[in-house]
Amino acid sequence: EVQLVESGGGLVQPGGSLRLSCAASGFTFSNYIMNWVRQAPGKGLEWVSYIISDSSTIYYADSVKGRFTISRDNAKNSLYLQMSSLRAEDTAVYYCAREVYDNSAYFFDYWGQGTLVTVSS
Amino acid sequence: SYELTQPSSVSVSPGQTASITCSGHKLGNKYTCWYQQKPGQSPVLVIYEDTKRPSGIPERFSGSNSGNTATLTISGTQAMDEADYYCQAWDSGTWVFGGGTKVTVL
Repeated sequence: EVQLVESGGGLVQPGGSLRLSCAASGFTFSNYIMNWVRQAPGKGLEWVSYIISDSSTIYYADSVKGRFTISRDNAKNSLYLQMSSLRAEDTAVYYCAREVYDNSAYFFDYWGQGTLVTVSS
Repeated sequence: SYELTQPSSVSVSPGQTASITCSGHKLGNKYTCWYQQKPGQSPVLVIYEDTKRPSGIPERFSGSNSGNTATLTISGTQAMDEADYYCQAWDSGTWVFGGGTKVTVL
Protein backbone atom coordinates (compact mmCIF):
# COMPACT_ATOMS: atom_id res chain seq x y z
CA GLU A 1 0.00 0.00 0.00
CA VAL A 2 1.34 3.39 -1.00
CA GLN A 3 1.78 5.71 1.96
CA LEU A 4 3.06 9.26 2.23
CA VAL A 5 3.44 10.64 5.73
CA GLU A 6 4.38 14.26 6.28
CA SER A 7 5.92 15.59 9.47
CA GLY A 8 7.76 18.61 10.78
CA GLY A 9 4.99 21.17 10.80
CA GLY A 10 4.35 23.50 13.70
CA LEU A 11 4.32 27.07 14.90
CA VAL A 12 7.18 29.30 13.77
CA GLN A 13 7.80 33.02 14.02
CA PRO A 14 7.94 35.24 10.93
CA GLY A 15 11.42 35.12 9.47
CA GLY A 16 12.03 31.69 10.95
CA SER A 17 12.81 28.35 9.37
CA LEU A 18 11.28 24.90 9.34
CA ARG A 19 12.05 21.61 7.64
CA LEU A 20 9.24 19.35 6.50
CA SER A 21 9.68 15.67 5.77
CA CYS A 22 7.61 13.19 3.80
CA ALA A 23 8.23 9.50 4.46
CA ALA A 24 7.27 7.27 1.54
CA SER A 25 6.49 3.57 1.64
CA GLY A 26 4.77 0.90 -0.43
CA PHE A 27 6.49 1.83 -3.71
CA THR A 28 9.95 2.33 -5.21
CA PHE A 29 10.44 5.95 -4.16
CA SER A 30 13.52 6.49 -6.31
CA ASN A 31 11.48 5.96 -9.49
CA TYR A 32 9.03 8.79 -8.94
CA ILE A 33 8.73 12.54 -9.30
CA MET A 34 7.54 14.15 -6.07
CA ASN A 35 5.84 17.44 -5.31
CA TRP A 36 4.88 19.68 -2.42
CA VAL A 37 1.47 21.35 -2.49
CA ARG A 38 0.05 23.64 0.16
CA GLN A 39 -3.38 24.85 1.20
CA ALA A 40 -3.90 27.93 3.31
CA PRO A 41 -6.79 27.73 5.80
CA GLY A 42 -10.07 27.91 3.92
CA LYS A 43 -8.30 28.42 0.60
CA GLY A 44 -7.50 26.40 -2.50
CA LEU A 45 -4.56 24.23 -3.47
CA GLU A 46 -1.27 25.90 -4.39
CA TRP A 47 1.59 23.97 -5.95
CA VAL A 48 4.92 24.68 -4.21
CA SER A 49 7.74 22.60 -5.66
CA TYR A 50 8.71 19.64 -7.85
CA ILE A 51 11.71 17.31 -7.89
CA ILE A 52 12.42 14.51 -10.31
CA SER A 53 13.66 11.10 -9.29
CA ASP A 54 17.40 11.83 -9.39
CA SER A 55 17.05 15.45 -8.15
CA SER A 56 18.52 16.79 -11.40
CA THR A 57 15.46 18.92 -12.18
CA ILE A 58 13.72 21.08 -9.60
CA TYR A 59 11.02 23.70 -9.98
CA TYR A 60 9.50 26.18 -7.54
CA ALA A 61 6.46 28.40 -7.46
CA ASP A 62 7.39 32.08 -7.71
CA SER A 63 5.88 32.64 -4.26
CA VAL A 64 8.56 30.49 -2.58
CA LYS A 65 11.52 30.76 -4.95
CA GLY A 66 14.68 31.72 -3.10
CA ARG A 67 13.20 30.87 0.29
CA PHE A 68 12.27 27.18 0.04
CA THR A 69 14.48 24.26 -0.98
CA ILE A 70 13.17 20.87 -2.00
CA SER A 71 15.34 17.79 -1.70
CA ARG A 72 15.10 14.04 -1.43
CA ASP A 73 17.03 11.09 -0.07
CA ASN A 74 16.20 8.03 -2.13
CA ALA A 75 18.10 5.78 0.24
CA LYS A 76 15.81 6.89 3.06
CA ASN A 77 12.65 7.03 0.92
CA SER A 78 12.16 10.60 2.04
CA LEU A 79 11.24 13.96 0.57
CA TYR A 80 12.06 17.26 2.26
CA LEU A 81 11.11 20.90 2.13
CA GLN A 82 13.44 23.35 3.83
CA MET A 83 11.55 26.57 4.42
CA SER A 84 13.26 29.80 5.46
CA SER A 85 12.35 33.48 5.75
CA LEU A 86 8.84 32.33 6.54
CA ARG A 87 5.97 34.76 6.24
CA ALA A 88 2.43 34.80 7.59
CA GLU A 89 1.19 33.95 4.09
CA ASP A 90 3.12 30.67 4.19
CA THR A 91 0.67 29.42 6.83
CA ALA A 92 -0.91 26.34 5.31
CA VAL A 93 -1.28 22.60 5.36
CA TYR A 94 1.60 21.20 3.33
CA TYR A 95 1.05 18.00 1.36
CA CYS A 96 3.54 15.81 -0.42
CA ALA A 97 2.21 14.18 -3.56
CA ARG A 98 3.48 11.48 -5.89
CA GLU A 99 3.49 12.32 -9.59
CA VAL A 100 2.98 9.65 -12.22
CA TYR A 101 2.35 9.58 -15.95
CA ASP A 102 0.13 7.68 -18.34
CA ASN A 103 0.89 8.08 -22.04
CA SER A 104 2.18 11.63 -21.91
CA ALA A 105 -0.15 12.94 -19.21
CA TYR A 106 1.18 13.61 -15.72
CA PHE A 107 -0.86 13.81 -12.54
CA PHE A 108 -0.73 13.26 -8.77
CA ASP A 109 -2.02 9.84 -7.83
CA TYR A 110 -1.24 9.76 -4.10
CA TRP A 111 -1.21 12.50 -1.49
CA GLY A 112 -0.13 12.49 2.12
CA GLN A 113 -2.38 13.59 4.96
CA GLY A 114 -0.62 16.94 5.27
CA THR A 115 1.24 18.79 8.01
CA LEU A 116 0.20 22.21 9.29
CA VAL A 117 2.66 25.08 9.29
CA THR A 118 1.63 28.20 11.19
CA VAL A 119 3.72 31.33 10.86
CA SER A 120 2.84 33.75 13.63
CA SER A 121 4.43 35.78 16.39
CA SER B 1 1.93 33.22 -15.40
CA TYR B 2 -0.66 30.71 -16.48
CA GLU B 3 -4.05 30.80 -14.76
CA LEU B 4 -6.94 28.38 -14.48
CA THR B 5 -10.36 29.81 -13.65
CA GLN B 6 -13.19 27.87 -12.03
CA PRO B 7 -16.59 28.98 -10.75
CA SER B 8 -16.50 29.29 -6.98
CA SER B 9 -19.62 27.23 -6.47
CA VAL B 10 -22.07 24.94 -8.22
CA SER B 11 -25.35 23.69 -6.81
CA VAL B 12 -27.08 20.54 -7.99
CA SER B 13 -30.08 18.47 -6.95
CA PRO B 14 -29.55 14.80 -6.12
CA GLY B 15 -29.70 12.68 -9.26
CA GLN B 16 -29.06 15.62 -11.56
CA THR B 17 -25.93 16.53 -13.52
CA ALA B 18 -23.27 18.89 -12.24
CA SER B 19 -20.84 20.51 -14.65
CA ILE B 20 -17.71 22.26 -13.42
CA THR B 21 -15.68 24.29 -15.85
CA CYS B 22 -12.01 25.16 -15.83
CA SER B 23 -10.81 27.86 -18.21
CA GLY B 24 -7.32 28.69 -19.35
CA HIS B 25 -5.57 29.94 -22.47
CA LYS B 26 -5.46 27.10 -25.01
CA LEU B 27 -6.18 24.66 -22.19
CA GLY B 28 -7.33 22.14 -24.78
CA ASN B 29 -3.68 21.80 -25.85
CA LYS B 30 -2.73 20.60 -22.37
CA TYR B 31 -3.76 17.60 -20.34
CA THR B 32 -6.07 18.46 -17.45
CA CYS B 33 -6.79 16.48 -14.32
CA TRP B 34 -9.31 16.92 -11.55
CA TYR B 35 -9.20 16.35 -7.81
CA GLN B 36 -11.98 15.99 -5.27
CA GLN B 37 -11.40 17.20 -1.73
CA LYS B 38 -13.80 16.69 1.14
CA PRO B 39 -13.52 18.69 4.37
CA GLY B 40 -10.55 17.66 6.47
CA GLN B 41 -9.30 15.21 3.86
CA SER B 42 -6.50 15.15 1.30
CA PRO B 43 -7.32 15.61 -2.39
CA VAL B 44 -8.27 12.54 -4.42
CA LEU B 45 -7.71 12.21 -8.17
CA VAL B 46 -10.99 11.71 -10.04
CA ILE B 47 -10.01 12.45 -13.66
CA TYR B 48 -6.64 12.46 -15.43
CA GLU B 49 -5.53 12.94 -19.04
CA ASP B 50 -8.72 14.99 -19.61
CA THR B 51 -11.11 12.05 -19.68
CA LYS B 52 -9.73 9.02 -17.84
CA ARG B 53 -10.99 7.74 -14.50
CA PRO B 54 -8.62 6.12 -12.00
CA SER B 55 -9.55 2.74 -10.64
CA GLY B 56 -12.24 3.06 -8.00
CA ILE B 57 -13.73 6.31 -9.27
CA PRO B 58 -17.42 5.89 -10.17
CA GLU B 59 -18.50 6.04 -13.80
CA ARG B 60 -20.67 9.07 -13.04
CA PHE B 61 -17.49 11.17 -13.13
CA SER B 62 -16.40 12.18 -16.62
CA GLY B 63 -14.23 14.84 -18.19
CA SER B 64 -13.67 16.70 -21.42
CA ASN B 65 -11.24 19.33 -22.67
CA SER B 66 -11.38 21.46 -25.78
CA GLY B 67 -10.47 24.97 -26.81
CA ASN B 68 -10.00 27.02 -23.66
CA THR B 69 -12.20 24.97 -21.34
CA ALA B 70 -12.02 21.67 -19.52
CA THR B 71 -15.16 20.33 -17.90
CA LEU B 72 -15.77 17.86 -15.11
CA THR B 73 -19.23 16.33 -15.24
CA ILE B 74 -20.90 14.43 -12.45
CA SER B 75 -23.94 12.54 -13.73
CA GLY B 76 -26.56 11.37 -11.29
CA THR B 77 -24.96 13.38 -8.51
CA GLN B 78 -25.10 11.84 -5.07
CA ALA B 79 -24.89 13.43 -1.65
CA MET B 80 -21.43 11.90 -1.22
CA ASP B 81 -20.19 13.96 -4.17
CA GLU B 82 -20.51 17.17 -2.18
CA ALA B 83 -16.94 18.45 -2.05
CA ASP B 84 -14.46 20.93 -3.47
CA TYR B 85 -13.12 20.16 -6.94
CA TYR B 86 -9.86 21.44 -8.42
CA CYS B 87 -8.57 21.31 -11.95
CA GLN B 88 -4.84 21.11 -12.63
CA ALA B 89 -2.58 21.54 -15.63
CA TRP B 90 1.14 21.85 -16.35
CA ASP B 91 2.59 24.95 -17.95
CA SER B 92 6.23 25.86 -18.50
CA GLY B 93 7.74 24.17 -15.48
CA THR B 94 4.85 24.95 -13.20
CA TRP B 95 1.88 23.00 -11.95
CA VAL B 96 -1.19 25.20 -11.88
CA PHE B 97 -4.38 24.58 -9.93
CA GLY B 98 -7.70 26.23 -10.50
CA GLY B 99 -9.17 28.13 -7.59
CA GLY B 100 -11.58 25.32 -6.76
CA THR B 101 -15.32 24.82 -7.07
CA LYS B 102 -17.52 23.93 -4.14
CA VAL B 103 -20.22 21.51 -5.25
CA THR B 104 -23.30 21.58 -3.06
CA VAL B 105 -25.92 18.85 -3.39
CA LEU B 106 -29.21 20.40 -2.35
